[in-house]
Amino acid sequence: DAGVTQSPTHLIKTRGQQVTLRCSPISGHKSVSWYQQVLGQGPQFIFQYYEKEERGRGNFPDRFSARQFPNYSSELNVNALLLGDSALYLCASSLGWTGYYEQYFGPGTRLTVT
Amino acid sequence: ELKVEQNPLFLSMQEGKNYTIYCNYSTTSDRLYWYRQDPGKSLESLFVLLSNGAVKQEGRLMASLDTKARLSTLHITAAVHDLSATYFCAVDFSRDYGGSQGNLIFGKGTKLSVKP
Repeated sequence: DAGVTQSPTHLIKTRGQQVTLRCSPISGHKSVSWYQQVLGQGPQFIFQYYEKEERGRGNFPDRFSARQFPNYSSELNVNALLLGDSALYLCASSLGWTGYYEQYFGPGTRLTVT
Repeated sequence: ELKVEQNPLFLSMQEGKNYTIYCNYSTTSDRLYWYRQDPGKSLESLFVLLSNGAVKQEGRLMASLDTKARLSTLHITAAVHDLSATYFCAVDFSRDYGGSQGNLIFGKGTKLSVKP
């Protein structure tokens, strides 16, 4: 079975631009979470979505937004990019939205802001 | 504040030696994960520890959880070069695993380098 997939793999953007990252969960998984991993740090939770509803939000500015589609895929949008947004963005999927369910991580999207 | 602290952050080992990575966390949790990450890659799940006293082993790695001490350890036995990677512990602090969102708080990671 296919695991979590993310696109694109790599992305280079300029400060002030906007970016959209995409994630497809494991088949049958209804929850998607997004994490940001800055170089040398552990991943930080950004959002969790389940059945198209936001279930959790981390401590990130309003420039970050996300949504989930009826097929459970998800997009993460970041507006007005800053240099500090350069990071590996990880998507994780799980069967349900509560802590009972293990999250499975995708390969990530490497975003570089210049 | 929900915190997860790992130590050491950097670990240089010789092949064949044993060592332990420690993961401390700030408040009650019964759900802890260990991941491996190779440079430029995503997270590979190693262990899921779900209760006090849980111990799991896979090859040269063994993980344990002491929820009373809020401590997990990842023990490396007879290290080999292929174990060189960054290891993360992550804790789920959900108060009600059946009724509240799951999100993971990660430690900063332990960068392990195994040298011949």
